[in-house]
Amino acid sequence: AQSVTQLDSHVSVSEGTPVLLRCNYSSSYSPSLFWYVQHPNKGLQLLLKYTSAATLVKGINGFEAEFKKSETSFHLTKPSAHMSDAAEYFCVVNPYKAAGNKLTFGGGTRVLVKP
Amino acid sequence: DVKVTQSSRYLVKRTGEKVFLECVQDMDHENMFWYRQDPGLGLRLIYFSYDVKMKEKGDIPEGYSVSREKKERFSLILESASTNQTSMYLCASAKAGAGDIQYFGAGTRLSVL
Repeated sequence: AQSVTQLDSHVSVSEGTPVLLRCNYSSSYSPSLFWYVQHPNKGLQLLLKYTSAATLVKGINGFEAEFKKSETSFHLTKPSAHMSDAAEYFCVVNPYKAAGNKLTFGGGTRVLVKP
Repeated sequence: DVKVTQSSRYLVKRTGEKVFLECVQDMDHENMFWYRQDPGLGLRLIYFSYDVKMKEKGDIPEGYSVSREKKERFSLILESASTNQTSMYLCASAKAGAGDIQYFGAGTRLSVL
């Protein structure tokens, strides 16, 4: 069975400071991993995707994530938060890389950015 | 750009009503999905479809059914709406293949009174 745990339901940062969103996963297979972002009243937008080509993945808007197999983690970071980063972020795993697109979502982390 | 369109942003229905949520995608994607989103639970898969007239149950199919008569359209049906189905419903589509990205609609916020 596969699962995704986002370790913080809420994160509050000041504008210009680093952001760290933590995610641990479990999967019986070598998974694909994603981070999605959801701004208020919007659908989900892909930030980045890991598929085993490189352990450090760069995404849009200055975000990046590092895959650590030994720790089964896929944490999302950004060096300097912007007000527009206030949103909810979802860590997602697709354990069935060989077939299908069924995704398992973490519970989400809501990011608040203070001026 | 991929576009996934959900027919309604907000819906208010009464207990026992039959409810239809419609989703259309314009990228000729084979796979389509319906999720519900509840605070703290992330997104949970209700049903998905990998071809016209084909469907598979997701993690929480009880109380729901789906229809896919055309490749671009995937409908979610609540046969008899109940208050515990008050939620945000999100539709997604994806090209067939391993690990491909899902593209999401803006969501339908359904309230069942």
